[in-house]
Parts: sequence; structure tokens; C-alpha cells
Amino acid sequence: DAMVIQNPRYQVTQFGKPVTLSCSQTLNHNVMYWYQQKSSQAPKLLFHYYDKDFNNEADTPDNFQSRRPNTSFCFLDIRSPGLGDAAMYLCATSYGGLNTEAFFGQGTRLTVV
Amino acid sequence: AQSVAQPEDQVNVAEGNPLTVKCTYSVSGNPYLFWYVQYPNRGLQFLLKYITGDNLVKGSYGFEAEFNKSQTSFHLKKPSALVSDSALYFCAVRDGVDSSYKLIFGSGTRLLVRP
Repeated sequence: DAMVIQNPRYQVTQFGKPVTLSCSQTLNHNVMYWYQQKSSQAPKLLFHYYDKDFNNEADTPDNFQSRRPNTSFCFLDIRSPGLGDAAMYLCATSYGGLNTEAFFGQGTRLTVV
Repeated sequence: AQSVAQPEDQVNVAEGNPLTVKCTYSVSGNPYLFWYVQYPNRGLQFLLKYITGDNLVKGSYGFEAEFNKSQTSFHLKKPSALVSDSALYFCAVRDGVDSSYKLIFGSGTRLLVRP
């Protein structure tokens, strides 16, 4: 059973056209993460939530926004995608504890044309 | 701020031989360490974690990892590699003094197991 679901798996968007990626979870986990991964590099943390508490990384561009309307859903909004934003975007969840592992979705591969 | 380093971009090993993938970390408090594996165009899969206690941790698919506090390392090991182990491996860390639950990943190591 899928536990962290990302939609869509593949997204093509136009340069400058806003795009939203979605993530849902059936695990009822407190923490939800968004990572950006380029070309098999390290997943780069963009931001994360502990419940509704939002934690933005200092180097995350303002172009990236996030919403978490409830425990199950989290969205990544890219307001004006540039060619450099083409990447795999990974959503992950974990139960609220330092010693708990994160569960990842399959990722959304974003192409900007 | 916590960080994790994986000094090897790629590790090559023959099937049946032991493998080691290296990871070192830097934290202010107690480290919470994890290993993940990634196959092409997929998300990351959890392999194992170190919390406290026994320095040798056993995980999925025959993998294990050894925690060494003095060397701030958490190397991934397997006694006998399989061709199907070929994948991208990531080490990750949480810092015990960071209550935000931030999880930071290393740069990854590509493991290639040749038949």
C-alpha cells in the first residue's frame, strides 16, 4: 500500500508558469519534508513542517512556497519556474521523533520548457 | 548546523566481496544517523538507523552499519555484495539539539557491483 503519494510523477511546465506539486500521506505523520534533487545529487532540503509549524531553509529561493492545509496533504508551489528548477522533487514524512526514519514518495520529475 | 559527508562518489566491488560505503557527520548534540538507497527515478528507501546503544546496526537486505563516535563515522557495510545492490546510497543525519526534525543528506555514493 502506498503510504506517501506524490502527484503527478512527471510534470512539464512552461518557463515562468506557476506549478503546484502535491504530496499526500496515509501515515498520519507529524513531519513532512520537501526536497529538491538534481541529477543524482544529494536531496536538498527546501522546507519542512512539524504539524503546522513551517521551517524554511535559509537558502530556499522565494520562488518556492509551500502549504500544508491538513496532516495528510502538503503542496509545493513554484511561482515562476526557471530552467534551473528542473529537478526531481521528493516528499517525505516522519513521525515526530528524532530517531524516526523518513518515508519517501516516488518523487515528481519536473521539466521546464 | 548538522552536516554529513560521503567522500566517495563511487564504489566498485565484485559480487560476493564485502563492501563499505563511507559516511562521516558533524552535529552539535547527539547524532541520529540513517542510510537510504535510491534506484533510478525512484524515491529513497530506508535501510537502517543508529539511535543509541550497540554500535553495529543491522538493517534491510543484509546491510549493516558501524557507528564510531570518536571518528564521527557511520559506514555502511555488507559482507557479500550482490549485483542487485548496485544503486545510489545516501547517509543522513539529524542533530539531537535541533528540535525542528531537520534531516540532512550527504552527497551520495554510487555503488557498482560487477558480476
